Amino acid sequence: EVQLVESGGGLVLPGRSLRLSCAASGFNFDDFAMHWVRQAPGKGLEWVSGINWNSNTIYHADSVKGRFTISRDNAKKSLSLQMNNLRAEDTALYYCAKDRLRYFDWSFDYWGQGTLVTVSS
Amino acid sequence: SYVLTQPPSVSVAPGKTAKITCGGDNVGVKSMHWYQQQPGQAPVLIIYYDSDRPSGIPERFSGTNSGNTATLTISRVEAGDEADYYCQVWDTGSAHPVFGGGTKLTVL
Repeated sequence: EVQLVESGGGLVLPGRSLRLSCAASGFNFDDFAMHWVRQAPGKGLEWVSGINWNSNTIYHADSVKGRFTISRDNAKKSLSLQMNNLRAEDTALYYCAKDRLRYFDWSFDYWGQGTLVTVSS
Repeated sequence: SYVLTQPPSVSVAPGKTAKITCGGDNVGVKSMHWYQQQPGQAPVLIIYYDSDRPSGIPERFSGTNSGNTATLTISRVEAGDEADYYCQVWDTGSAHPVFGGGTKLTVL
């Protein structure tokens, strides 16, 4: 059974940093691209970042480019999102999501339950 | 950037057919994906590549994509289908995926 378990969320001051993690199990992690997708409270889905199977290709949404960095450790079956210079508008539930393919298919066939990030003073 | 437009809400009686649209400029040339998000839950992929269903998704869920509109059709609607539905494509212009704003399906 595919499982994605996010962690690392919490309350953080504007301008500070936070690192999210996603532990994967139940599938060959290094065979698939992975993504972070967020959802602000009461709002829709927003794609944040994506990384292909061997980390050679990385994409970030314009809203987080230069502040967020996605990475993966295939040996540990782990996906991470380093978030720097956080803003109030980054407040959201952050989902780890599995791509259907090794390279980017851009459809997300499994999702974790999310970790909540709240940016507030 | 590319915009996908969904109606905020759709209502349907149990046993009837619900149609949720997703509009975009020439969206028919893009691969459309649909997600179901039940209250308090993570999204679930229910349609990919316009009309394919992942394993475990009932045949009651189907999709089409042509011209400027993609449509998710839910046949014989059940109370458990009440959820938010999101359409999504990959935008060649920005090289990023784009989601529609979501449609809340209410089963009367």
